[in-house]
Amino acid sequence: SAVISQKPSRDICQRGTSLTIQCQVDSQVTMMFWYRQQPGQSLTLIATANQGSEATYESGFVIDKFPISRPNLTFSTLTVSNMSPEDSSIYLCSGRGAGTDTQYFGPGTRLTVL
Amino acid sequence: GENVEQHPSTLSVQEGDSAVIKCTYSDSASNYFPWYKQELGKGPQLIIDIRSNVGEKKDQRIAVTLNKTAKHFSLHITETQPEDSAVYFCAAPKAEYGNKLVFGAGTILRVKS
Repeated sequence: SAVISQKPSRDICQRGTSLTIQCQVDSQVTMMFWYRQQPGQSLTLIATANQGSEATYESGFVIDKFPISRPNLTFSTLTVSNMSPEDSSIYLCSGRGAGTDTQYFGPGTRLTVL
Repeated sequence: GENVEQHPSTLSVQEGDSAVIKCTYSDSASNYFPWYKQELGKGPQLIIDIRSNVGEKKDQRIAVTLNKTAKHFSLHITETQPEDSAVYFCAAPKAEYGNKLVFGAGTILRVKS
């Protein structure tokens, strides 16, 4: 199975600030995704991180709020910008290998916005 | 688009009993159905998956069954143990959008010892 790590594992931030979350995957992964999981809820796809080009965002998510980078095949960042308490969630990085449906998740970043 | 409904939302069983969680999906083109287990403070872990060319798959105490006609699939855990207590999520791909997964709402499973 793919190995996916995230940093930081958790953070407490003040409203109005921004936080960048890092995701590192092993070489088996070709597609990378970012999900949000609000407290006690299911997983919602934010965007697909595309290598060397702009991410593909799902309905309800915009680049200005959640800028994403993927400078190479194994690394991506998600920034949560101008945070408000409503952004308090778990943010999950996920990856899928070439020619496979199997998708793996990182351990998540637990964000609390005060 | 794909809708995935999951039931029940919570399930309590006695240790040693079986647990069954069911999901229904709407996109008849969906052909891959994973199940994830999420323990407190951790990311979702893939525990079993099934593709549409088979009706059942087993891995020790865990099995998944698929009924493509009725568009539902189920997770079966036999001989439950306290360490099975977690939140379980089913998922199905949005076939027309490059197979991005849509997740069910989750089932909180509590195994009482």
